[in-house]
Amino acid sequence: GAVVSQHPSWVICKSGTSVKIECRSLDFQATTMFWYRQFPKQSLMLMATSNEGSKATYEQGVEKDKFLINHASLTLSTLTVTSAHPEDSSFYICSAIPHIRDRVQNEQFFGPGTRLTVL
Amino acid sequence: GEDVEQSLFLSVREGDSSVINCTYTDSSSTYLYWYKQEPGAGLQLLTYIFSNMDMKQDQRLTVLLNKKDKHLSLRIADTQTGDSAIYFCAAWEGNNRLAFGKGNQVVVIP
Repeated sequence: GAVVSQHPSWVICKSGTSVKIECRSLDFQATTMFWYRQFPKQSLMLMATSNEGSKATYEQGVEKDKFLINHASLTLSTLTVTSAHPEDSSFYICSAIPHIRDRVQNEQFFGPGTRLTVL
Repeated sequence: GEDVEQSLFLSVREGDSSVINCTYTDSSSTYLYWYKQEPGAGLQLLTYIFSNMDMKQDQRLTVLLNKKDKHLSLRIADTQTGDSAIYFCAAWEGNNRLAFGKGNQVVVIP
């Protein structure tokens, strides 16, 4: 149980286009989801916290107009990279906390990640 | 916020033990975690330790916590080729947030 999926697993796009990445909790409901960005050989950088039915909370330095987050249901959050540029190329990972915490306290379940390459 | 530090690279022979270290700054972190990331994949929770514990053993994994020095370690006994990955320690910052270390790449040599 507690599986998180991401779609697509990889995407290549042209500079200036927008790309949407989906994060789904497959077998549990998640009131809170997180979006991380990971550069090669580096740690995860938290971009934003996504709460179902409310606006996302962005970390300092993350442009909310560039990285649009929507958490419309308890099982789906989307990240849209608008007007993507080569510097947005990265590995984007989402995670989710189950609505019912019957596991490790505060455990986050991670998706497999989406590799974005902007040409 | 929390600052979590890790060393970067470790190579180990198959069958030997490997130890990965991590330091953190915020003594109020109630939970500390070890995650494993295989190439091109997300993070998998390996184990965790509550801050009032000194040690936790889970099969081949042993977590040691020195709260005084804010030092966390993960020992993998009988390291296998499938253990080759990047290992991240993480500290609970509160408010549903995790602070991750930079990761430690473990390469297991057959």
